[in-house]
Amino acid sequence: DIQMTQSPSTLSASVGDRVSITCRANESISSWLAWYQQKPGKAPKVLINKASRLESGVPSRFSGSGSGTEFTLTISSLQPDDFATYYCQHYNSYPYTFGQGTKLESK
Amino acid sequence: QVQLQESRPGLLKPSETLSLSCSVSGGSVSSPAYFWGWIRQPPGKGLEWIGSVSYRGKTFYNPSVKSRVTISLDTSKNHFSLNLKSVTAADTAMYYCAGSAGWFDPWGQGTLVIVSS
Repeated sequence: DIQMTQSPSTLSASVGDRVSITCRANESISSWLAWYQQKPGKAPKVLINKASRLESGVPSRFSGSGSGTEFTLTISSLQPDDFATYYCQHYNSYPYTFGQGTKLESK
Repeated sequence: QVQLQESRPGLLKPSETLSLSCSVSGGSVSSPAYFWGWIRQPPGKGLEWIGSVSYRGKTFYNPSVKSRVTISLDTSKNHFSLNLKSVTAADTAMYYCAGSAGWFDPWGQGTLVIVSS
């Protein structure tokens, strides 16, 4: 199975900050990676697929980059609505796996 | 716009079988645009993919549950189902159904399954 490791596990930041979350795979997954945002009590919401393709309706302050084994989700200017938990997920091959999550909290 | 809704199975006892269905509206489970998947999330923990089924009924399972799980399509009811046998407390989680093109979207709202004696 392909293992996905996110860092950091927790990130403290302020409104207006530029923040980045890293996701590493233990083998190459090309660009077959998605990023999700999850708020308490809600289902995850996909933000980005194929490593860098922004989903319709997702604000342009979110961006994704990377390929192979290292990927990054960046929020260019943090907004109050962005405090949530973020997950990466590969879909290179079965079984699909998720990163352990990064909780983005207010400093 | 495709929308998904999970059924509510209630409380389960250890060794029982978990049965969930996911009703699809605004689209067809027979559509080649989607696979259909189940994902779970134990309380306070991360996401685990359980398995997926293609629009033709071909299934793919996580090895962690493969010996206990069955996912199937019911085109007449336009839904897909999850059966998980011999549940234990470790199967306590929020269970989500989702459409999948590799990534998961859309998602159902989730249903909480509690396994307790």
